[in-house]
Amino acid sequence: QKEVEQNSGPLSVPEGAIASLNCTYSDRVSQSFFWYRQYSGKSPELIMSIYSNGDKEDGRFTAQLNKASQYVSLLIRDSQPSDSATYLCAVNPIGASGSARQLTFGSGTQLTVLP
Amino acid sequence: GAGVSQSPSNKVTEKGKDVELRCDPISGHTALYWYRQSLGQGLEFLIYFQGNSAPDKSGLPSDRFSAERTGGSVSTLTIQRTQQEDSAVYLCASTSRFAGETQYFGPGTRLLVL
Repeated sequence: QKEVEQNSGPLSVPEGAIASLNCTYSDRVSQSFFWYRQYSGKSPELIMSIYSNGDKEDGRFTAQLNKASQYVSLLIRDSQPSDSATYLCAVNPIGASGSARQLTFGSGTQLTVLP
Repeated sequence: GAGVSQSPSNKVTEKGKDVELRCDPISGHTALYWYRQSLGQGLEFLIYFQGNSAPDKSGLPSDRFSAERTGGSVSTLTIQRTQQEDSAVYLCASTSRFAGETQYFGPGTRLLVL
């Protein structure tokens, strides 16, 4: 079993719809969770980080974390064609107050927003 | 600097040759990571440097891979006797506790081994 699992997609949604990206992780001690966006041929860039159970909103993006279910998701509201990219889920076993450690990345979900 | 820089941006080499990839992290960032990303795949952790501590080399795939970080700043990833399966994008990232553990990635080096 992979440590961080994502549906590879591709996931296609029409412009203006909500895109829902899901990620599960196996390490129960995981404390920090990140969503990165990677455009084709580019390096990953951070979109959201979340450390506590519940929802965290930033503009059109909402991250949802459920540690009991070992599940983290990313919702993109009012999806735009410019949101088309691969979205990588990353998990860190050390809490936000601890020292930085390596992230474990999922293989990514490819999202296409159709105009 | 303004961001993480890597060089070269592209490298084509022949099987069996050695290559060196360079990463210049964001100034003041104490942690530096190397990842490898094969086409259409996720990021594979290679090695992690934190300050003056011994590096975490647990992700290096073989003894042909090594990395060093001089003066707590610039890092070099060396691949000896390259193989075709080494072809990938090699990404470097840096962070610090004051950056909230956010890893900032460089543009990557695209390595092609013929």
